[in-house]
Amino acid sequence: DSGVTQTPKHLITATGQRVTLRCSPRSGDLSVYWYQQSLDQGLQFLIQYYNGEERAKGNILERFSAQQFPDLHSELNLSSLELGDSALYFCASSLGIVRRTGELFFGEGSRLTVL
Amino acid sequence: DAKTTQPPSMDCAEGRAANLPCNHSTISGNEYVYWYRQIHSQGPQYIIHGLKNNETNEMASLIITEDRKSSTLILPHATLRDTAVYYCIAHTTWGLAGNQFYFGTGTSLTVIP
Repeated sequence: DSGVTQTPKHLITATGQRVTLRCSPRSGDLSVYWYQQSLDQGLQFLIQYYNGEERAKGNILERFSAQQFPDLHSELNLSSLELGDSALYFCASSLGIVRRTGELFFGEGSRLTVL
Repeated sequence: DAKTTQPPSMDCAEGRAANLPCNHSTISGNEYVYWYRQIHSQGPQYIIHGLKNNETNEMASLIITEDRKSSTLILPHATLRDTAVYYCIAHTTWGLAGNQFYFGTGTSLTVIP
């Protein structure tokens, strides 16, 4: 158990709909990262937040948005869903200060299926 | 981050050592080498990391060549539970915000009974 909690574990929805994925980082971790893993693209970095502020953006679509709340949990919002958005969405957390260990702790993922 | 190159797949007999190579010929002096693995559809799991010295922990050993252009992850006694995709990442740890790792395609290791 990594200590990172993601909900829901599974989600089935229709094209055009909007969903919200939730992530609770490990206790004490200030950074939250979102990754998307689809069958044909591998693990893709989407976005990172540190202590409530956006810090880095990767290959995140404009239809997607995220935020990190004062209690440090994060939500990833996916809107106008398309079939190609079907994927595993992982959240990871880290302490987020200068350090050499560089260890990310991943949750078990949310599997989104768009029909 | 420096580009890393790994073989797409490898097999290893159960109980034998699994040696997973990684090439990172353009690695810079302040980039660490990290290894993660992902067991089927689970979240990736940290294994080990190093800068230039060889490292060992309870999971694996990491051997980095003197010129730092390549490294090898060694699982000393592979078990069926080690079947997974192994990712080698070269990355600089700096700044307040932590790390944004970019995962490649990794090596799919199959441990054979």
